[in-house]
Amino acid sequence: EVQLVESGGGLLQPGGSLRLSCAASGFTFSSYAMSWVRQAPGKGLEWVSAISGRGGSTNYADSVEGRFTISRDNSKNTLYLQMNSLRAEDTAVYYCARVSTMIVVGIPSNAFDIWGQGTMVTVSS
Amino acid sequence: QSVLTQPPSTSGTPGQRVTISCSGSSSNIGSNTVNWYQQLPGTAPKLLIYSNNQRPSGVPDRFSGSKSGTSASLAISGLQSEDEADYYCASWDHSLNGPVFGGGTKLTVL
Repeated sequence: EVQLVESGGGLLQPGGSLRLSCAASGFTFSSYAMSWVRQAPGKGLEWVSAISGRGGSTNYADSVEGRFTISRDNSKNTLYLQMNSLRAEDTAVYYCARVSTMIVVGIPSNAFDIWGQGTMVTVSS
Repeated sequence: QSVLTQPPSTSGTPGQRVTISCSGSSSNIGSNTVNWYQQLPGTAPKLLIYSNNQRPSGVPDRFSGSKSGTSASLAISGLQSEDEADYYCASWDHSLNGPVFGGGTKLTVL
């Protein structure tokens, strides 16, 4: 079964750090780009970061650039998100998501075809 | 404020057809494909439509997507109570160099 399982969420104070993990199973992890998407309580979805299959390319939303670092260990089938200098506005459920390889008429879908169950990060004093 | 614009809510009765709109710009929908996600209460999002109008395996053909210019739409026909959920559109944005989402539309089945 194709599955993503996040862990590492918690409650911490502003300015703190946290590392989220996402364990993948049921597919060839290194063949897929991966992303983190977050959802603040009662709000919509916000893309956070993405990393290529081999880890050589990363990009970030402006809201987290310079504070968050995405990485992956393909030998462990695990995706990470290192979050530093956390702010109250970073409070959210963080989902890891697989980026689909589906291409239609030569155009990549860029769809998130598999999602984890999410892990909650609360930043509060 | 989301980059893509969706109506906050919509509703319908069982068996009815409803549509959800998604408006963007030339830097996202106008030059890229649109994906739609369904989020049932208390669960993670699920891919519903990709590449404007393609359904992943297992998604009923009651769900369909379309795109024209800088706008897209999701249509749900034969509405069922289990369709009550939040629906999000998404597209790649060249200016932001990343995917952007709509604010979500809450569908209520009356």
